[in-house]
Amino acid sequence: DAKTTQPPSMDCAEGRAANLPCNHSTISGNEYVYWYRQIHSQGPQYIIHGLKNNETNEMASLIITEDRKSSTLILPHATLRDTAVYYCIVRVYGGKLIFGQGTELSVKP
Amino acid sequence: DTEVTQTPKHLVMGMTNKKSLKCEQHMGHRAMYWYKQKAKKPPELMFVYSYEKLSINESVPSRFSPECPNSSLLNLHLHALQPEDSALYLCASSQDDNRPGFGSGTRLTVV
Repeated sequence: DAKTTQPPSMDCAEGRAANLPCNHSTISGNEYVYWYRQIHSQGPQYIIHGLKNNETNEMASLIITEDRKSSTLILPHATLRDTAVYYCIVRVYGGKLIFGQGTELSVKP
Repeated sequence: DTEVTQTPKHLVMGMTNKKSLKCEQHMGHRAMYWYKQKAKKPPELMFVYSYEKLSINESVPSRFSPECPNSSLLNLHLHALQPEDSALYLCASSQDDNRPGFGSGTRLTVV
């Protein structure tokens, strides 16, 4: 199964961009990368997903390297409400959703 | 994510009780999941149902018994649990490259 690796924690100043990396070096060619976040042990909230092209929506941007071995979630202007645990998830063949260990992002004033 | 709803939100049960967790998804997905999450840890996969059939059991103890009555519903039957089974139980659904949906979870406490 694909494995995802994330740093355990990161800090970001309010109003600055938060860049959260994820390594998924064993990902297969047709497996998507999904980013979710979890606040106060609520259910994971969808942010963005992609396969090989960079993606942008109203919440964030996703940059996937050309070899697809890693990706970066970018929150362009972090706010205090973006403080959460961010998970990089790969959906592998057979349907398993493989979670990374998560990055605890602290946005500070 | 209101597209996946879980009930109850909180459950306290004794070690001799039998209870059930329920999940319903309205995303039209054909795969459904149960995850267990302990504090400050990522969710751990327990079971996967694909097209209403159990496709993955991650060596979960038999005191947890999943059931998929139809493509929208997923239950987790609990019996003779231990205090260490106290956790947040998350339900999820997915299909192909569509974004997975997650419920808000059931906070289970075993006393």
